[in-house]
Amino acid sequence: DQQVKQNSPSLSVQEGRISILNCDYTNSMFDYFLWYKKYPAEGPTFLISISSIKDKNEDGRFTVFLNKSAKHLSLHIVPSQPGDSAVYFCAASWRNTDKLIFGTGTRLQVFP
Amino acid sequence: DVKVTQSSRYLVKRTGEKVFLECVQDMDHENMFWYRQDPGLGLRLIYFSYDVKMKEKGDIPEGYSVSREKKERFSLILESASTNQTSMYLCASSLRGLEAFFGQGTRLTVV
Repeated sequence: DQQVKQNSPSLSVQEGRISILNCDYTNSMFDYFLWYKKYPAEGPTFLISISSIKDKNEDGRFTVFLNKSAKHLSLHIVPSQPGDSAVYFCAASWRNTDKLIFGTGTRLQVFP
Repeated sequence: DVKVTQSSRYLVKRTGEKVFLECVQDMDHENMFWYRQDPGLGLRLIYFSYDVKMKEKGDIPEGYSVSREKKERFSLILESASTNQTSMYLCASSLRGLEAFFGQGTRLTVV
């Protein structure tokens, strides 16, 4: 059973606009959430994280929002750039174990 | 900078062969992970190690084993390779409670 779900396999956004990537989770024990970006033929690279004690974390153009009651998080990219075109994975873990569980990914395409 | 190095970028093996995928990290991280990435399935955890000689099964451990004799090295072993193990394999490491860093991946093809 998929504990971390990304229900949109792809998203297309115009350059300069906002990209919103969504992620849902089922396990209420998760207390640390992360977003990774992956280009083809490369390993994923860490983007931004959020602890369950917060509901928002911002780093430059990237903001992650956490809604614990809905078991939902989202990644906002503003403004979107063509170089942001990649597959984005959300991930979750329990602090006690550090075992990191990933979603299925969303392919973002930013067009000019 | 954290460096996670996987021994091969591309590998082709025959069905039934024993396959070793090696991963080395240089940042003294306690945790190490092996994932496989398949289209539409995301990254699935095969095995996780939280210390030398300590391991936990992930979501898809069948057909795989691991070895962690030294802190910096985590090996994934395919006991008898099968075509359904053709995939991209990704190794990662992390400090306790922090984000994981990934290697560049090994594209394994079993023929």
